[in-house]
Amino acid sequence: GAGVSQSPSNKVTEKGKDVELRCDPISGHTALYWYRQSLGQGLEFLIYFQGNSAPDKSGLPSDRFSAERTGGSVSTLTIQRTQQEDSAVYLCASSFGVNYGYTFGSGTRLTVV
Amino acid sequence: DQQVKQNSPSLSVQEGRISILNCDYTNSMFDYFLWYKKYPAEGPTFLISISSIKDKNEDGRFTVFLNKSAKHLSLHIVPSQPGDSAVYFCAALRGGTSYGKLTFGQGTILTVHP
Repeated sequence: GAGVSQSPSNKVTEKGKDVELRCDPISGHTALYWYRQSLGQGLEFLIYFQGNSAPDKSGLPSDRFSAERTGGSVSTLTIQRTQQEDSAVYLCASSFGVNYGYTFGSGTRLTVV
Repeated sequence: DQQVKQNSPSLSVQEGRISILNCDYTNSMFDYFLWYKKYPAEGPTFLISISSIKDKNEDGRFTVFLNKSAKHLSLHIVPSQPGDSAVYFCAALRGGTSYGKLTFGQGTILTVHP
């Protein structure tokens, strides 16, 4: 596609439920990143994919968070047993090769009530 | 532990004047710095970057200055335009990292008044 696409754009969920957030990177982009932005905070790195593998998962806050990428394309970020502190905007970005000025999607605003 | 800090949450300037956005970092291992701009309900977009081997990089109305000894960088926008009103994030990359794992500041909201 023309840009990085994320869905849903907004998600309200009850505490304790599982959620899946989806990212469609720009076609051909090999690197994919997930970040999140909590209220009043900067963007916080979560995970990096190169192709389908995740060499760096160091930013995932807990074992309730997991992510996968298939076909070197679409990625899903799953949060199990959501907590209120998980409320944030989750942003996906992709790049071709080693390019630090990567392209972000518009994000998924997750609200846990 | 906030390794990249933008101490001014907001900045207001008049159209046509200079906007100066500041960023400080604490990790001396950072060697590449970027600025991103974010409009509401959109993802951040890459604006300009600078390597630690330089002290200045210019792109049109945007110039980034790096003072390594002070661990400080700034983004200058001249002249400022109302369309520049957005949240600006600085970000840093650690030397030796082969991929774009960025550490971001909290952002500064810039408002340019007509």
